[in-house]
Amino acid sequence: EPEVTQTPSHQVTQMGQEVILRCVPISNHLYFYWYRQILGQKVEFLVSFYNNEISEKSEIFDDQFSVERPDGSNFTLKIRSTKLEDSAMYFCASSEAGGVSYEQYFGPGTRLTVT
Amino acid sequence: RKEVEQDPGPFNVPEGATVAFNCTYSNSASQSFFWYRQDCRKEPKLLMSVYSSGNEDGRFTAQLNRASQYISLLIRDSKLSDSATYLCVVNPLIQGAQKLVFGQGTRLTINP
Repeated sequence: EPEVTQTPSHQVTQMGQEVILRCVPISNHLYFYWYRQILGQKVEFLVSFYNNEISEKSEIFDDQFSVERPDGSNFTLKIRSTKLEDSAMYFCASSEAGGVSYEQYFGPGTRLTVT
Repeated sequence: RKEVEQDPGPFNVPEGATVAFNCTYSNSASQSFFWYRQDCRKEPKLLMSVYSSGNEDGRFTAQLNRASQYISLLIRDSKLSDSATYLCVVNPLIQGAQKLVFGQGTRLTINP
């Protein structure tokens, strides 16, 4: 069964450093998403991406965040200057298409720890 | 009012019991609804979509009441493997890339 993959599984970084989280969406999917989950809290939407553009973003997704599809398979989330409060689980998801009928499938997540 | 609100839980029930979860959502324009399950420190996994007519998948039954903005999940003949956090999820957007709004989740523990 095709699945979303993410690397690394755990990333530890110092405050102020840049990190890049990587995702490989399901191969025939066209829409890609990033979510985060701070420990003990709910899953929160960050951004959606389609056709090499951001489609939607939340107020969490400020100027320190960016997304990119650098090649035909990878989808990345960059955090430019990490803060302690960026420590969270980051989930990538993908869907076959947009619209209400299409379900999102999540990767296993990257646990980001900012020290 | 929270966008998606769930029963606080936790629920501790014996194996074989029937358990029901409830969820309400605030955006009446929401178009699609889901139940996901999440095991500890793992990703959310889609359990089932929820349709207006109600739908069933084996031991799981989901219902949607648009008028009351209420979603439910019923698990019959619960198994130890059903122990997880159940997430009520709503998508408020009509078209284009979708943005899932998650509830806080309800933790379920099935006891032998």
